[in-house]
Amino acid sequence: DTAVSQTPKYLVTQMGNDKSIKCEQNLGHDTMYWYKQDSKKFLKIMFSYNNKELIINETVPNRFSPKSPDKAHLNLHINSLELGDSAVYFCASSPSPTRGWETQYFGPGTRLLVL
Amino acid sequence: AQSVAQPEDQVNVAEGNPLTVKCTYSVSGNPYLFWYVQYPNRGLQFLLKYITGDNLVKGSYGFEAEFNKSQTSFHLKKPSALVSDSALYFCAVRDSRGSQGNLIFGKGTKLSVKP
Repeated sequence: DTAVSQTPKYLVTQMGNDKSIKCEQNLGHDTMYWYKQDSKKFLKIMFSYNNKELIINETVPNRFSPKSPDKAHLNLHINSLELGDSAVYFCASSPSPTRGWETQYFGPGTRLLVL
Repeated sequence: AQSVAQPEDQVNVAEGNPLTVKCTYSVSGNPYLFWYVQYPNRGLQFLLKYITGDNLVKGSYGFEAEFNKSQTSFHLKKPSALVSDSALYFCAVRDSRGSQGNLIFGKGTKLSVKP
């Protein structure tokens, strides 16, 4: 059973389009995250939600809008896609945001290519 | 501010030889330290973590890491490398004083194990 799943796995689209990436976790965790991995493999936090509420919003353009319909799902919607949005987007989850020793579990990633 | 440094972009090791992947960190409080591995076109897999207690932490696939508070290091080690260990390795940290939960990642070290 997949603990953290993402769809789609690959996404190729044109500049200016709007796209969504979905994430689901079946671990019963309260907290979910979106990370971005750029072409140089740098991993950086974008957003974090705890029990459907936003708790971290790094300096991400407002074209990116996360949505959490319930604590098992955290979707990422991107408007007006730009070339620089091409990256691998990872979803992750952990039991809570405040117990720093807890492990985060990552999804397989969504490889976004903007042409 | 929290930070993680992985000073080596790449580590090359012959199969059967011991390997070390270096990591140093900077946090305000006590650190929670993690190692993740990323195989090509795959997500991040958790290897091991240090929370407190014994400085030598054992993890998955025969890996271990040694926490050294005076040197602010958390190097990943394995006594005998396998070709299948070839992957990208990330060190990550959380500050015990932090309340937001996101991981701060190093830039990654590519491990190449040759037969």
